[in-house]
Amino acid sequence: AQSVTQLDSQVPVFEEAPVELRCNYSSSVSVYLFWYVQYPNQGLQLLLKYLSGSTLVESINGFEAEFNKSQTSFHLRKPSVHISDTAEYFCAVSGKAGTALIFGKGTTLSVSS
Amino acid sequence: GAVVSQHPSRVICKSGTSVKIECRSLDFQATTMFWYRQFPKQSLMLMATSNEGSKATYEQGVEKDKFLINHASLTLSTLTVTSAHPEDSSFYICSGRTSPGDTQYFGPGTRLTVL
Repeated sequence: AQSVTQLDSQVPVFEEAPVELRCNYSSSVSVYLFWYVQYPNQGLQLLLKYLSGSTLVESINGFEAEFNKSQTSFHLRKPSVHISDTAEYFCAVSGKAGTALIFGKGTTLSVSS
Repeated sequence: GAVVSQHPSRVICKSGTSVKIECRSLDFQATTMFWYRQFPKQSLMLMATSNEGSKATYEQGVEKDKFLINHASLTLSTLTVTSAHPEDSSFYICSGRTSPGDTQYFGPGTRLTVL
């Protein structure tokens, strides 16, 4: 079985500041890792994912996450946030055998000017 | 990316009635579909996993006789909440996936309110 811990429930930052949303997972098997974003009143959207290969993965809107197997972490970072990045961010894990996504409790990122 | 739709987006019903929620993959074949429930300000909790043509596998604590799931085709899964009660009020979200390791694509969710 897998589990996901998102260490921060809320992260308030100012526009153009860097941000890191932390995610740790536990699993007895190899996993795939994901970050999803949920904007207010919208459905979940895939932000980025790690399946294999390079441990650093990037999204098209400037976010990146690094898979660290030794620390069982998959933290999400962005060097400079925008107001439009305000949303709920969910870290998720699935086993490579094809199990369903298991989600963390989410982190609310609030970007203000 | 692939698109998943849900219908209805919002439903209000009386206690004791049944409600059916449809989940459709519009531009891909979803071999596996998942149903989640999301409480306000909380994460998504997996309710069940269904493979096309097979019976759904329910997570521990989810009543299979109350939450009926049908996955009759590669593009359609339905969740029927039978004899709904106020405590069943929640946001129900489905997702679809073509194969293990592929991205799960999520529907926009259905807000169920039971009076």
